[in-house]
Amino acid sequence: GQSLEQPSEVTAVEGAIVQINCTYQTSGFYGLSWYQQHDGGAPTFLSYNALDGLEETGRFSSFLSRSDSYGYLLLQELQMKDSASYFCAVRYNFNKFYFGSGTKLNVKP
Amino acid sequence: GAVVSQHPSWVICKSGTSVKIECRSLDFQATTMFWYRQFPKQSLMLMATSNEGSKATYEQGVEKDKFLINHASLTLSTLTVTSAHPEDSSFYICSASGSGSLGNEQFFGPGTRLTVL
Repeated sequence: GQSLEQPSEVTAVEGAIVQINCTYQTSGFYGLSWYQQHDGGAPTFLSYNALDGLEETGRFSSFLSRSDSYGYLLLQELQMKDSASYFCAVRYNFNKFYFGSGTKLNVKP
Repeated sequence: GAVVSQHPSWVICKSGTSVKIECRSLDFQATTMFWYRQFPKQSLMLMATSNEGSKATYEQGVEKDKFLINHASLTLSTLTVTSAHPEDSSFYICSASGSGSLGNEQFFGPGTRLTVL
């Protein structure tokens, strides 16, 4: 089966940098994705890593180490609107996706 | 970007009735569609995966006779909750992925909040 571990909650202040870690166990690994979900809304795609290394998209970056079965999402210059839940998800066996339990990010002024 | 619509956005029904939820990809061909269920403050639980023109693949523990999924075209998938009961009340979200680079991410619909009285 699949398993994903990520912290349940993280708190940071506006303007700071926060890193949300994700470790996974799966067979047939294809890639690791990150999604953001605000309360009451649907998840929105943030990033996808299929290869080792860092992918940067604006204030958000995502990292993957396949040998360590580990990835992280880095959020810089935190803003209040970044308060949301962040899910890592593994893509496996080509078109299967398994989501982690989510990390609730609280951004304080 | 790719857009997925979902209808209705919310529905309240009586116990024992059936409810159909539609999921449409508006500007791309969705080779695969996914149906999720999410309870408050919890993660997304994959219910089933469907490819256009073929039967859906249900995850373990999901009753295929209760949650009927039809993926009739490359832009439309439907989920029918048959004989709904209060325990079926939940947030149901569909997502779609395409081919090529569109297969790396899922585009989520806005979700349907089902309340069964």
